[in-house]
Amino acid sequence: GAGVSQSPSNKVTEKGKDVELRCDPISGHTALYWYRQSLGQGLEFLIYFQGNSAPDKSGLPSDRFSAERTGGSVSTLTIQRTQQEDSAVYLCASSLHGTGGTNTQYFGPGTRLTVL
Amino acid sequence: KNEVEQSPQNLTAQEGEFITINCSYSVGISALHWLQQHPGGGIVSLFMLSSGKKKHGRLIATINIQEKHSSLHITASHPRDSAVYICAVPLMYSGGGADGLTFGKGTHLIIQP
Repeated sequence: GAGVSQSPSNKVTEKGKDVELRCDPISGHTALYWYRQSLGQGLEFLIYFQGNSAPDKSGLPSDRFSAERTGGSVSTLTIQRTQQEDSAVYLCASSLHGTGGTNTQYFGPGTRLTVL
Repeated sequence: KNEVEQSPQNLTAQEGEFITINCSYSVGISALHWLQQHPGGGIVSLFMLSSGKKKHGRLIATINIQEKHSSLHITASHPRDSAVYICAVPLMYSGGGADGLTFGKGTHLIIQP
């Protein structure tokens, strides 16, 4: 079956613009995660969804970042008023259940965001 | 919050050598993940383990829960094993229930022919 897909694969934007990143998890996976991978910080957790709710938003770096998930499937990560430090690869992952990190997480290919 | 330390950060070896990558974490966990990322490629989950040892092909992962330590071994290493290997454990928050992962900085492995 299909894996986790993300779009766009690359996004170049100007500082101050808003961007939306999309994630399509594996069908039937109830848990969905957003991570960010940047040169200086490595991989870091942003937000986690169980179904449509986000029990943990603590990794979002500022109030410019928000995410939603609808229908227990597709998720969108929105960054408002982008800054150059937002440049990174944004990764989405999904797992069958979200139970204390004890489920294998399947990663998408990522969206490379460049803020000029 | 769990802290994850990996060593070595960089490792260059000759084809056929036995490779060991180490991972230590600070807080007790339910499971530990080993991930692989090829240059320019996506992240693939290699193992998730909560005790003992797991083997897949030439890859072996072990974990010692008491010592909060895990190792990833590669036997008969091959140039196609060249990648970044990342250790990850569940985040720990005071509110509980957090299911995201926190990651080590990765080990850059190069296997020369």
